[in-house]
Amino acid sequence: GAVVSQHPSRVICKSGTSVKIECRSLDFQATTMFWYRQFPKQSLMLMATSNEGSKATYEQGVEKDKFLINHASLTLSTLTVTSAHPEDSSFYICSARDPTVSYNEQFFGPGTRLTVL
Amino acid sequence: GQNIDQPTEMTATEGAIVQINCTYQTSGFNGLFWYQQHAGEAPTFLSYNVLDGLEEKGRFSSFLSRSKGYSYLLLKELQMKDSASYLCAVQDSNYQLIWGAGTKLIIKP
Repeated sequence: GAVVSQHPSRVICKSGTSVKIECRSLDFQATTMFWYRQFPKQSLMLMATSNEGSKATYEQGVEKDKFLINHASLTLSTLTVTSAHPEDSSFYICSARDPTVSYNEQFFGPGTRLTVL
Repeated sequence: GQNIDQPTEMTATEGAIVQINCTYQTSGFNGLFWYQQHAGEAPTFLSYNVLDGLEEKGRFSSFLSRSKGYSYLLLKELQMKDSASYLCAVQDSNYQLIWGAGTKLIIKP
């Protein structure tokens, strides 16, 4: 099956710094990637949809200037949390859609746990 | 509005059978997914239903009734490793996934 990697798996940073998270589709070309955030004991919350070569579409309430998304190639999307604050501490998960799979299944990366001190 | 409902938590015994229900109201329907998520890990795909009926895959089966806006995930011969959260997600008319809050399944010996 399709494999999606995410890096780093864990990151701890100081308040005010920026953190970049990478999401890669390893064995397929992903025209669309998704970024989710998950707080403890809650479900996945879609932050944005990222299409290769175009601007990301952000969900209501997600600050696009704070969560910068770049989908520069068919295998790589990055999420940069700018000026991170403790309330940004969360589990960030990316997923990628394999266009060759008929039912548009999303394949998930292993997630990145961000802790902002 | 769009809404996915599933129980918050369920408890079952090792070796038994458990059914996790999911009801949905969405703008359009392009299939329903079930994912398994262990604590601290990303979701993993379990099943996909787009037509009414039962899909069986080993110990796991998933059922869909589009007219009732209803699905269930059936887990047989429960094992301790099945302790996890089970997420129901519906793909709407824009092919965007609408997620339920997840059902935490606790398996007891």
